[in-house]
Amino acid sequence: DSGVTQTPKHLITATGQRVTLRCSPRSGDLSVYWYQQSLDQGLQFLIQYYNGEERAKGNILERFSAQQFPDLHSELNLSSLELGDSALYFCASSVVGNPYEQYFGPGTRLTVT
Amino acid sequence: AQSVTQPDIHITVSEGASLELRCNYSYGATPYLFWYVQSPGQGLQLLLKYFSGDTLVQGIKGFEAEFKRSQSSFNLRKPSVHWSDAAEYFCAVGTLGAGNQFYFGTGTSLTVIP
Repeated sequence: DSGVTQTPKHLITATGQRVTLRCSPRSGDLSVYWYQQSLDQGLQFLIQYYNGEERAKGNILERFSAQQFPDLHSELNLSSLELGDSALYFCASSVVGNPYEQYFGPGTRLTVT
Repeated sequence: AQSVTQPDIHITVSEGASLELRCNYSYGATPYLFWYVQSPGQGLQLLLKYFSGDTLVQGIKGFEAEFKRSQSSFNLRKPSVHWSDAAEYFCAVGTLGAGNQFYFGTGTSLTVIP
């Protein structure tokens, strides 16, 4: 158990819909990272937040957005969903002062039908 | 552009045999290198990391990796594989500059046969 929690574990929705994925980092970690893992694209970095502020952006679509709240939990919002958005979405948090020591949550499996 | 290549999509080894998983990276500066393991239905777990210093790094679960700058490689090794090592292994490069970004390889799936 990494200490990073993600909800829900599974999500099934239809094309065109909007969903919100939630992540709680490990206690004391200020950074949250979101990743998408799909068969086509592999594991891709989406976005990073540090203490409520966006810090880095990767291959995140404009239909996707994220935020980090004052209690440091983060939400990833996916809108206008397409079949190709079906994937595992991971959240990770990192040790303060060491952005590369990341601890991953169990993931949310999103299925778009 | 930064990239990570894991040339072996799938590897099968016998339990007790040695293991080497290959990883090559492309990055202009000194990279930060990582190996992660993903068991079925699980998130990724950090096995080991290289930032600087000794090029042979030790990780958890008996794994080690060696950074070879001349070959742009960071291969993962284990002298004796256990059945519980069957999983997906990802090599990653971390970069500084425009944010802290991670680039993952496509992964190597390890099967361990008794």
